[in-house]
Amino acid sequence: GENVGLHLPTLSVQEGDNSIINCAYSNSASDYFIWYKQESGKGPQFIIDIRSNMDKRQGQRVTVLLNKTVKHLSLQIAATQPGDSAVYFCAENFGNEKLTFGTGTRLTIIP
Amino acid sequence: ETGVTQTPRHLVMGMTNKKSLKCEQHLGHNAMYWYKQSAKKPLELMFVYNFKEQTENNSVPSRFSPECPNSSHLFLHLHTLQPEDSALYLCASSPTAELGGATDTQYFGPGTRLTVL
Repeated sequence: GENVGLHLPTLSVQEGDNSIINCAYSNSASDYFIWYKQESGKGPQFIIDIRSNMDKRQGQRVTVLLNKTVKHLSLQIAATQPGDSAVYFCAENFGNEKLTFGTGTRLTIIP
Repeated sequence: ETGVTQTPRHLVMGMTNKKSLKCEQHLGHNAMYWYKQSAKKPLELMFVYNFKEQTENNSVPSRFSPECPNSSHLFLHLHTLQPEDSALYLCASSPTAELGGATDTQYFGPGTRLTVL
């Protein structure tokens, strides 16, 4: 069945270092993946997305990697800043209008 | 900001009250969604509206009643709620929600923090 989950519920990273947040999914039919960032008191904010026909996509300071062989998705944040502290969610879609979300990873940036 | 607004931002209500949550999107999107976010749980999809028509009801209890008068506005009417309904209720919108096709990116509002006493 569908299962979107995160390897680690919390992650602490030194300011300036790179962060890697991981996500596993179980539905090989999923064709679209999104990373969201949710700060305290706010709704989820779109960060970056990737289609299943791609392995990598880059944005501003963020990179998403998709490994379909092992059904693994990761979000890399370069040179982390205090403003990157938030909960990060991955979500998957498999050809309909429903997104399935993971429980989230809380990223804390250490000054 | 995402262009999706929600009111009120906070709501406290008793189990016998009737209240409504409002969502408005200023992005020209055709699909709107209600989600429930509880602590330590994944986001739970409640309802989907596509071009004002409800296309998804994810086994939501009847004490939650959605209304979509047009593509820009979405309401969630609440009555006789239970304390376990306390959560953050998030509204989202997306450009299209074609049945059978991949979902376009959903953009979320800030949510309404609901507390049921």
